[in-house]
Amino acid sequence: DAGVIQSPRHEVTEMGQEVTLRCKPISGHNSLFWYRQTMMRGLELLIYFNNNVPIDDSGMPEDRFSAKMPNASFSTLKIQPSEPRDSAVYFCASSLEQGAASNQPQHFGDGTRLSIL
Amino acid sequence: AQKVTQAQTEISVVEKEDVTLDCVYETRDTTYYLFWYKQPPSGELVFLIRRNSFDEQNEISGRYSWNFQKSTSSFNFTITASQVVDSAVYFCALKTNAGKSTFGDGTTLTVKP
Repeated sequence: DAGVIQSPRHEVTEMGQEVTLRCKPISGHNSLFWYRQTMMRGLELLIYFNNNVPIDDSGMPEDRFSAKMPNASFSTLKIQPSEPRDSAVYFCASSLEQGAASNQPQHFGDGTRLSIL
Repeated sequence: AQKVTQAQTEISVVEKEDVTLDCVYETRDTTYYLFWYKQPPSGELVFLIRRNSFDEQNEISGRYSWNFQKSTSSFNFTITASQVVDSAVYFCALKTNAGKSTFGDGTTLTVKP
């Protein structure tokens, strides 16, 4: 079975440009997560969706960041305008959540390494 | 609020040594789940093991073993006879409410030949 698929794997762009990261979760999973990983802050949860609905976006840094999940098989994380401090590895993960709590692990994509010059 | 503490930022061992990675968690929930993930130098995050709060049985899988103790709120991970391929960043995570996990800062393990 295909795992979580993220694109692009690498992105280098100049500050001020719009950046769009894409994620295809594992088929059948109903929860999707976006994380950012940096040396300084470690692994941070930005936002997560359950059944395509954003449940918690408290980790989104600021209004320049937005995330959408138009259907169960696709999500985007957009940064507009981008800044050098947004440089990081962005991970998408998905899981199957059942009931009020679940012991299901998250399955991670390979990440997008983003560099803002 | 939930919290996961991995006090060991970096550990370095020589191949064939045993090594234990510590994980201490905080939660007020009575039902929760604990996980370990591995992030090798290639960068992907790989799920290793999970434990339910109501199951304190320890687990062994090959050279890996996990010790879960509710009394000390710890979920430690031991690698026996470490190998160079074990070099990675290891994350402990806690999950309570539906979906959301809290990750520790990770422990970077370096196994030298």
